[in-house]
Amino acid sequence: GAVVSQHPSWVICKSGTSVKIECRSLDFQATTMFWYRQFPKQSLMLMATSNEGSKATYEQGVEKDKFLINHASLTLSTLTVTSAHPEDSSFYICSANHRAEAFFGQGTRLTVV
Amino acid sequence: AQTVTQSQPEMSVQEAETVTLSCTYDTSESDYYLFWYKQPPSRQMILVIRQEAYKQQNATENRFSVNFQKAAKSFSLKISDSQLGDAAMYFCAYGSSNTGKLIFGQGTTLQVKP
Repeated sequence: GAVVSQHPSWVICKSGTSVKIECRSLDFQATTMFWYRQFPKQSLMLMATSNEGSKATYEQGVEKDKFLINHASLTLSTLTVTSAHPEDSSFYICSANHRAEAFFGQGTRLTVV
Repeated sequence: AQTVTQSQPEMSVQEAETVTLSCTYDTSESDYYLFWYKQPPSRQMILVIRQEAYKQQNATENRFSVNFQKAAKSFSLKISDSQLGDAAMYFCAYGSSNTGKLIFGQGTTLQVKP
């Protein structure tokens, strides 16, 4: 199957700083990628759709200025959590579709202290 | 907007027995997919089974099968001969053919007892 790689797997950052998470499709091109957020023992909540070469589409209630998404190439999307605060601590997962199937990254555990 | 509902937060099954996880969804789209994903403690999402909405035949993957009732918007997962390795959180998901988005249910934590 296709492979999506997400980096880093975990990150700890200080409150007020920004952190970037990368999502790469390793063996296929992805014009669209998706970013999800998951709190412990809860479901995956879609945050935004990342579109290659254009602006991301954010779900209702997601702060665009807080969660910056850049999809600069057909294999890479990045999510930057700006001015992170403890309430941004969560598990972030990306996915990309290939032949009508979603392939997920390993996820990134973000802890803001 | 599409919604997915899993009404069983937790389920338990004895090893080698059969368990069914429930899922209902709502949509006005005619072209879509339905999925069951497994999320073990590693939190890596693993595809268990997929169903195309236009197919009447229920999907089957080894010990995993679904009961897809399109008119009732129901999509349950049956796990036969349960194994200890099946213990995980299971998510039902709706996939839009139009947008490619996945909408997940709340999840069901499955415990397998030896």
